[in-house]
Amino acid sequence: AQSVSQHNHHVILSEAASLELGCNYSYGGTVNLFWYVQYPGQHLQLLLKYFSGDPLVKGIKGFEAEFIKSKFSFNLRKPSVQWSDTAEYFCAVGQTGTASKLTFGTGTRLQVTL
Amino acid sequence: KAGVTQTPRYLIKTRGQQVTLSCSPISGHRSVSWYQQTPGQGLQFLFEYFSETQRNKGNFPGRFSGRQFSNSRSEMNVSTLELGDSALYLCASSLDPPGRGQETQYFGPGTRLLVL
Repeated sequence: AQSVSQHNHHVILSEAASLELGCNYSYGGTVNLFWYVQYPGQHLQLLLKYFSGDPLVKGIKGFEAEFIKSKFSFNLRKPSVQWSDTAEYFCAVGQTGTASKLTFGTGTRLQVTL
Repeated sequence: KAGVTQTPRYLIKTRGQQVTLSCSPISGHRSVSWYQQTPGQGLQFLFEYFSETQRNKGNFPGRFSGRQFSNSRSEMNVSTLELGDSALYLCASSLDPPGRGQETQYFGPGTRLLVL
């Protein structure tokens, strides 16, 4: 069975700091990779996704993620965070062909201070 | 285009009761998946329906069931509720053309269930 690990459970950053959230998965086959964000009081929203092609994918609000196949990783980055980025971030993996069955990481709570 | 809608948004039940939650997918989306979100276990996949058929199932007991109607709307049912069933139940829909394999799921706001 596939699994997803998010090693950072709670991250506190000052505005303008750079962000990198780790995500590692265990599955040997072809995968689809996602980052979702859940702002306080709001529902899960898609931040970015990777299916194939360029391993560096750009999402909304200045976020990007890099797929490194050899490391089974899909880390999320943002060069300069804003207070409005305070939210919980979830990495998710779906197997190609059954991508509607996502396996989620436990989430990383990001708190951005002014 | 309207997003995924779920009803009701909040629900309080007692142990032993049963509950039915409803999900309307984004117009044109044919796949509906259900997830349970709890502080301890995080987001866990329950099941997925496509064209009125259950296509994938997670590791939940048989008390959890679902169905999908011809208009792609879906319901999930939990019978004989237990305290541990208290959670946020999320529904997600995707276009999912068969065989394409590049589905993206869009989530609804969830139904928060409290079992007393």
